[in-house]
Amino acid sequence: RKEVEQDPGPFNVPEGATVAFNCTYSNSASQSFFWYRQDCRKEPKLLMSVYSSGNEDGRFTAQLNRASQYISLLIRDSKLSDSATYLCVVKRRYSGGGADGLTFGKGTHLIIQP
Amino acid sequence: DGGITQSPKYLFRKEGQNVTLSCEQNLNHDAMYWYRQDPGQGLRLIYYSQIVNDFQKGDIAEGYSVSREKKESFPLTVTSAQKNPTAFYLCASHRGGEYNSPLHFGNGTRLTVT
Repeated sequence: RKEVEQDPGPFNVPEGATVAFNCTYSNSASQSFFWYRQDCRKEPKLLMSVYSSGNEDGRFTAQLNRASQYISLLIRDSKLSDSATYLCVVKRRYSGGGADGLTFGKGTHLIIQP
Repeated sequence: DGGITQSPKYLFRKEGQNVTLSCEQNLNHDAMYWYRQDPGQGLRLIYYSQIVNDFQKGDIAEGYSVSREKKESFPLTVTSAQKNPTAFYLCASHRGGEYNSPLHFGNGTRLTVT
């Protein structure tokens, strides 16, 4: 099993609809979780961190399920401008000794259609 | 405004030449990273540095070199030994020692080698 897995999509969704996608992780020592948005030919930008109790930022809701080892992103009332690739990032607690604890998913491509 | 600056945005080189990509941050972050992204692929870690004068190889370090002489700067040299250097290169940073601090990305350098 890959350390972090995402459905690559594309997810084709009509404007105004609700869409959700998941990201599964295999390392139970993972401590921090993030969703990034990446537009075509641009750098990833932080969308939101994912907290244990779940968190919401406007139309976006992120949740963490530690028992099943996945995080999710829900987008309500989708806009054309939401079209992008959404990357999940999983981070182990930095343990020192130079170990890098960051793992990226390959992203889920979302297309919002008018 | 604080941020990460990568330069140049586009770079063209002939095969066999070394080329250095610049990455500067004024976020006072300890940790800095270099990633490579190929079309349709996820981010792959080249090198990272948790502290000045120290850096570690990532998953695909062969054909690359870095230095970390100053906290603000983490330049990447793509050497002639790198077999497929054409790619989108992303520099990132975060506050070291805080496992829940997200990565901040520069706007990337698109390198084309012919």
